[in-house]
Amino acid sequence: DAMVIQNPRYQVTQFGKPVTLSCSQTLNHNVMYWYQQKSSQAPKLLFHYYDKDFNNEADTPDNFQSRRPNTSFCFLDIRSPGLGDAAMYLCATSSRPERGYTFGSGTRLTVV
Amino acid sequence: ELKVEQNPLFLSMQEGKNYTIYCNYSTTSDRLYWYRQDPGKSLESLFVLLSNGAVKQEGRLMASLDTKARLSTLHITAAVHDLSATYFCAVDIRNAGGTSYGKLTFGQGTILTVHP
Repeated sequence: DAMVIQNPRYQVTQFGKPVTLSCSQTLNHNVMYWYQQKSSQAPKLLFHYYDKDFNNEADTPDNFQSRRPNTSFCFLDIRSPGLGDAAMYLCATSSRPERGYTFGSGTRLTVV
Repeated sequence: ELKVEQNPLFLSMQEGKNYTIYCNYSTTSDRLYWYRQDPGKSLESLFVLLSNGAVKQEGRLMASLDTKARLSTLHITAAVHDLSATYFCAVDIRNAGGTSYGKLTFGQGTILTVHP
């Protein structure tokens, strides 16, 4: 089945140690998004790629970076994770918003 | 800045009862989405509402959109325990040129618990 796959499902990292989360899609959607969802909160958009064009939200910390080497893959890099970065990270894709958005299963990040 | 507000934030229902979750938003939009989230899981798409007056139904859930009032509702009919989850509405806004930003702003979520 065409889908959005996130790896790993659970990630434990040490305080300050760089970590990378990955997202792949078989939908051939041109737009990919990264959302951060902290416990008991709504998802919050960090950034998105429209094809290769990177769009950062104004309040996304510099600690968060992203790469999209090709249509299928997108990575979220956290350069120096802090305890406040513990969250569920959701990848989503879309071809046209009126068709909706497809979310991956998420990666739950724990910082110790 | 777009604000999306849901109410209630917590909803405890008895099985068999009906109830409505409300989603208000502050900026003109004709695209509204409803999602379900189970604990520790990702978001499952429920409805995509794309025009004023749009109504969609799936099983015991029915969603509607009133773009003039900037209001969407998610109505639950004859609730069952399996509907227990967190429900989010999300709004996709357009810029002045009518092009979608293609970004979702979510409401706070409504935690629904259905009791026997």
